[in-house]
Amino acid sequence: EAGVTQFPSHSVIEKGQTVTLRCDPISGHDNLYWYRRVMGKEIKFLLHFVKESKQDESGMPNNRFLAERTGGTYSTLKVQPAELEDSGVYFCASSQVVSTQYFGPGTRLTVL
Amino acid sequence: DQQVKQNSPSLSVQEGRISILNCDYTNSMFDYFLWYKKYPAEGPTFLISISSIKDKNEDGRFTVFLNKSAKHLSLHIVPSQPGDSAVYFCAASAIQNAGNMLTFGGGTRLMVKP
Repeated sequence: EAGVTQFPSHSVIEKGQTVTLRCDPISGHDNLYWYRRVMGKEIKFLLHFVKESKQDESGMPNNRFLAERTGGTYSTLKVQPAELEDSGVYFCASSQVVSTQYFGPGTRLTVL
Repeated sequence: DQQVKQNSPSLSVQEGRISILNCDYTNSMFDYFLWYKKYPAEGPTFLISISSIKDKNEDGRFTVFLNKSAKHLSLHIVPSQPGDSAVYFCAASAIQNAGNMLTFGGGTRLMVKP
C-alpha cells in the first residue's frame, strides 16, 4: 500500500511569489491534515479535511494560505504571496479514522 | 504556550541498554497520545500510541507508559539499537472533542552508540 506522497520535495521561491504544494493521501483515507515545522521548532497543525470539507482550519496563519481538497482525494496548499516567515517544512498526513495519522515526507519551502 | 513538552532535547545511550524518552502535557482534554520517529529529510513515522483509558501499551521493543494524574508519558525502547537513532516526537490529541489535530512536543534526539 502506497503511503502519503507530497510534491515537490523542495521548493525555492522569492518573496512575493506563489507556491502550490500537493499532497496525495493514502487511498481510502477520508481525513487529511496539513502541518508545518518552522526553523526546527515543533510541528504545528494547520488544517484538517474530512473528505472535501474543511473540518478545522484554526491553525492557518493568515489568508495568504489557501487549502483545497477537490473531490476528497488529493489536496493542495497554496501560499500567495509568500513571505520570508513562510519558510519551513510542510507535512501532510492522512488517517482512515480519527486516530493514528500517517505522515508524508514533507515539502521543504525556502522563501528568499 | 506549549501544551506538549519534551524537556530533553537529546539523549545518548549505549546499544543494548534501555532508552527512556519523556513527555509532559498540560491540556487535560488530551485523550490520545502518539510517538513518532523522524529521520532527517523524512516525515514522522508512527511508532506507538496509547489511549487515556490505558496506562501502558507495548509493541515489540517499544512500550509507552501514561500517567494521567501527572500528565506525563514516556517511551521505553529495550534493547536500544543503533538504527533507533532519530528524533522522537510525542504528540497528543483530544479525540473526544472531535478535534483530532495533533499537538506535538519539540522532539528529543536519540543517539544509540554501538
